[in-house]
Amino acid sequence: SELTQDPAVSVALGQTVRITCQGDSVRNSYVSWYQQKPGQAPVLVISGNNKRPSGIPDRFSGSSSGTTASLTITGAQAEDEAAFYCFSRDNSGHHPVVFGGGTTLTV
Amino acid sequence: EVQLVESGGDLVQPGGSLRLSCAASGFTFLGHAMQWVRQVPGKGLEWVSGISWNSGSKGYADSVRGRFTISRDNAKSSLYLQMDSLRPEDTAFYYCVRDSGTYYDSNGDYYFDLWGQGTLVTVSS
Repeated sequence: SELTQDPAVSVALGQTVRITCQGDSVRNSYVSWYQQKPGQAPVLVISGNNKRPSGIPDRFSGSSSGTTASLTITGAQAEDEAAFYCFSRDNSGHHPVVFGGGTTLTV
Repeated sequence: EVQLVESGGDLVQPGGSLRLSCAASGFTFLGHAMQWVRQVPGKGLEWVSGISWNSGSKGYADSVRGRFTISRDNAKSSLYLQMDSLRPEDTAFYYCVRDSGTYYDSNGDYYFDLWGQGTLVTVSS
């Protein structure tokens, strides 16, 4: 099973942006999202489709419907510029987990 | 401090071997499955291998099965990845990752909730 993301998205400072993740595993699994800034390790920003870990700003939110999961940043800041990856467990695939290809966000 | 620290990355010739280590601290190591994820510089994330909390089950990506071996030592709060028959396409940053669940292949609301800083493996002659 695969998770498909747009390679790149841009947003004006302070505006709202939605990053999407499409795939069959989204329908039957929880989706989490990771932010990776250049030269750094990924950081969990959303788990269980829509839960924000402690320390993650509330401008980050997640949702899921059908085969599409979304990460929304409301009021994007310059420090949000990064690559974002979606992730889900995959009980129908050959591997137990799957990552999306990543979306590079430019603010 | 809750953290994962990888070590062991190096430059190695094709066909060679390398052992990566990951030292965990600040949390109950045996309460979590652990995973290895790699990333070719400038590219996306690729799951490599996972191991359940008690080493009772392990899994590998097709690209490394039969060449890589994952293991853990709960007494030492450490995770390992033995990498044999290395190929140039194995060149990547390797991340040690904590799973929120106890089994590496669990379904449900489980995710990778803590990442190490990564260690670079370069396979080249």
